[in-house]
Amino acid sequence: GAVVSQHPSWVICKSGTSVKIECRSLDFQATTMFWYRQFPKQSLMLMATSNEGSKATYEQGVEKDKFLINHASLTLSTLTVTSAHPEDSSFYICSARSPLVFKETQYFGPGTRLLVL
Amino acid sequence: GENVEQHPSTLSVQEGDSAVIKCTYSDSASNYFPWYKQELGKGPQLIIDIRSNVGEKKDQRIAVTLNKTAKHFSLHITETQPEDSAVYFCAAARFSGGYNKLIFGAGTRLAVHP
Repeated sequence: GAVVSQHPSWVICKSGTSVKIECRSLDFQATTMFWYRQFPKQSLMLMATSNEGSKATYEQGVEKDKFLINHASLTLSTLTVTSAHPEDSSFYICSARSPLVFKETQYFGPGTRLLVL
Repeated sequence: GENVEQHPSTLSVQEGDSAVIKCTYSDSASNYFPWYKQELGKGPQLIIDIRSNVGEKKDQRIAVTLNKTAKHFSLHITETQPEDSAVYFCAAARFSGGYNKLIFGAGTRLAVHP
């Protein structure tokens, strides 16, 4: 299978600050990356889909000005949580896909746990 | 919109027994059905997937069956082991060209007791 990494694995920040999370596909080029949020004991909720070199597509109810996504290269996507508040505390997980190599399959990163104080 | 229902929400079995998790999807155009295993504090790991042109797929102790007419698919784990304990998520997607958004079920917490 393919390997997707995330950095950092966990982060604690003060309310009002911004936090950037990186998602990298280590051994393949990902034309599409997805960002999910997961609350305790709940399922994965898709936040946005990003294709390399183009603007991200956000799901209904997700504020694009609060959750900034940049898919600058075929191996890197970043999620920036701007002006974070305690309610943004969650487990953020990215996934990556390469249609030419893996068809429909999405490979997930290990997740980033965000705690906003 | 597309919806995926997953049952049961929790499942407890003895080591060596079989475990079955069932999912039902609403979009008849869905054609890709992966299963993910998520251990505590980690990201989901793909364990098996099936496409709509196949009715069954097996990989060692894991198998998935698909009934397109009834719009449901199931995960079967045989000879369960304690390390199978985790949360399992089913998902469905309508793969069309370059776009496929996975719709996840609510998850099943599987506990395998020694």
